[in-house]
Amino acid sequence: SAVISQKPSRDICQRGTSLTIQCQVDSQVTMMFWYRQQPGQSLTLIATANQGSEATYESGFVIDKFPISRPNLTFSTLTVSNLSPEDSSIYLCSVGGSKGKETQYFGPGTRLLVL
Amino acid sequence: AQSVTQLGSHVSVSEGALVLLRCNYSSSVPPYLFWYVQYPNQGLQLLLKYTSAATLVKGINGFEAEFKKSETSFHLTKPSAHMSDAAEYFCAVSVWTGFQKLVFGTGTRLLVSP
Repeated sequence: SAVISQKPSRDICQRGTSLTIQCQVDSQVTMMFWYRQQPGQSLTLIATANQGSEATYESGFVIDKFPISRPNLTFSTLTVSNLSPEDSSIYLCSVGGSKGKETQYFGPGTRLLVL
Repeated sequence: AQSVTQLGSHVSVSEGALVLLRCNYSSSVPPYLFWYVQYPNQGLQLLLKYTSAATLVKGINGFEAEFKKSETSFHLTKPSAHMSDAAEYFCAVSVWTGFQKLVFGTGTRLLVSP
C-alpha cells in the first residue's frame, strides 16, 4: 500500500479565509480522492482528482468552494475557500480505486476548525 | 444506487468477548465491500476487503467478515476483543463508475471495557 502524508495535520482558521491542504504519496498513482468527515459523521466524497484533467466533483460540492489541483502523479491540493464554521471537519485524501487497484488507502487527515 | 447500513452507532463489549459489527449493503451489481477502522485522531486503515473471491475474508488484528449474498450482509467479527480494538469502524461498498467509488456507512463506535 502507498504511504500518504497530509499537511497540515490540523489548523484553526478564521471565518472568510481559505485553507489549502496538501496530499503527498510516495509512489505514482492515477487517481486521488478528497473526502470530508464532518464531526461525528461518516465520510463523504468531495471530488476525484486525476492528473492532467479537471477534478470531478460530487453532487453538493462545487469548484469555487473546493478548488483542487493535481500537478503530478504524487501530489494534490484541496483548498477550502471562504471558510465558515460549517466547514469544520476532517479532510482526507485517498489513493487507489483504479482498475486492478480497487482498494483505496487513506492519508491521516487534516483537522480543520473554523472560528 | 449503492448504499450501506451499519446497525448500531455504538457497540459495547467486555475485553475477551466476541465482537460483532453489522453491515448490510444494497447494490444492483456484484459489490466490492470493505471494512475500515479509524483510531482517535487518525485516518482510515483498511481492515479487510471482499472482491468476489472467498466469501470468508480474514483481515488484520484478528478480524474477519463473511459475505452473504442472500442476506446482503458483510458483518465484521472478532472472537476476543482487546482494549486496543476501541475505535470507529466503517463499512463501505464500492462500485465501478470509471473508478471504484466508495460509499460509506455511518460508522459504529466500538467500546471495550475491562
